[in-house]
Amino acid sequence: NAGVMQNPRHLVRRRGQEARLRCSPMKGHSHVYWYRQLPEEGLKFMVYLQKENIIDESGMPKERFSAEFPKEGPSILRIQQVVRGDSAAYFCASSPPSPQRAYEQYFGPGTRLTVT
Amino acid sequence: AQKITQTQPGMFVQEKEAVTLDCTYDTSDPSYGLFWYKQPSSGEMIFLIYQGSYDQQNATEGRYSLNFQKARKSANLVISASQLGDSAMYFCAMREEMRGGGADGLTFGKGTHLIIQP
Repeated sequence: NAGVMQNPRHLVRRRGQEARLRCSPMKGHSHVYWYRQLPEEGLKFMVYLQKENIIDESGMPKERFSAEFPKEGPSILRIQQVVRGDSAAYFCASSPPSPQRAYEQYFGPGTRLTVT
Repeated sequence: AQKITQTQPGMFVQEKEAVTLDCTYDTSDPSYGLFWYKQPSSGEMIFLIYQGSYDQQNATEGRYSLNFQKARKSANLVISASQLGDSAMYFCAMREEMRGGGADGLTFGKGTHLIIQP
């Protein structure tokens, strides 16, 4: 799981600013997932992407949040006009493309977002 | 209703004792997977063990085993011979196949904070 890279590890933003969180999946993985962990809570699924496609965004807030996974480069989770309630740890996970191994989700170290 | 329930918010266990962390789940999907993750104080999520709903045998990985009781919808994690380094948050999670027909997001429980005492 050390192969999933997330940056930055810590991000501080003032209310109203934009936050961009990046995730590079493990080599050979084409599925990316984003999760949010509020303090003292478990992780909550936000969005599942494959290259250039959003497959399932049922956990994404309807406003201010967006995600992409372009053909080249990392996946980006973007939060516009951040509010204090967005303060959380955001985890990215990746899994291999083969259906037989699709259950394997490897997590990155997370990005801790603090909104002041 | 909660999809994943972990009823033990915190546990204290003596070193070298076995530990059972409880997890019950709720799904009407006939095909699903159950996971346990460890989150130490450093914050990363470490995959421990996986059990598929059609697996006949209980999953084992080193000192970790999953006590899978399908009829009771229970997937308890058993850690044998606990060590000080096992102190961490432990999360049970589930993936339901029918949601997306493939690799979908996991649903997590609220976690159990395990503290191993010397």
